[in-house]
Amino acid sequence: GAVVSQHPSWVICKSGTSVKIECRSLDFQATTMFWYRQFPKQSLMLMATSNEGSKATYEQGVEKDKFLINHASLTLSTLTVTSAHPEDSSFYICSARERAPYNEQFFGPGTRLTVL
Amino acid sequence: GENVEQHPSTLSVQEGDSAVIKCTYSDSASNYFPWYKQELGKRPQLIIDIRSNVGEKKDQRIAVTLNKTAKHFSLHITETQPEDSAVYFCAAPNNDMRFGAGTRLTVKP
Repeated sequence: GAVVSQHPSWVICKSGTSVKIECRSLDFQATTMFWYRQFPKQSLMLMATSNEGSKATYEQGVEKDKFLINHASLTLSTLTVTSAHPEDSSFYICSARERAPYNEQFFGPGTRLTVL
Repeated sequence: GENVEQHPSTLSVQEGDSAVIKCTYSDSASNYFPWYKQELGKRPQLIIDIRSNVGEKKDQRIAVTLNKTAKHFSLHITETQPEDSAVYFCAAPNNDMRFGAGTRLTVKP
């Protein structure tokens, strides 16, 4: 299957700082990328849908000014957690979907964020 | 967006028994139904998927059945093994990709 990379795999930061997470599709063009947050023993919660060249669509309850998403190219999307707080500590996973008609999504390995 | 409900939330079976997980969806336009397996601390992995033009698909011990009229699809795992223990997620993506709440499967040796 296609490969999606995510960087960094883990990060520890101080409260109030910003953290950027990168998601790359390595061998295909991803017209759509998705960002998820997963708390321990819970499901993947969709945060936002990101289409190349346009603004991300955020899910209800997700603050767009706090979780900045940039989908600058067909192979790269970034999520920036601004002014991070301990409650933002979570496992963040991106996924990428190929152009239609293929619906399969490929997941990155995830980034574990710990905010002290 | 699509609403996907998944049951049960936890499932415990003896090794060798079968396991069935069910999902229902709301958007009749959905035409692609994947199942993912996620082991602790790892990314979800696609294990099987089905498109709306077929009613069943098998891959060794894993099968998925789809009932478009009733808007539900199920994951069937036969001859379960301890390594099948994981969390399983369904999805019924259309424009977005929301997952069911997940089923934690435990296979007891």
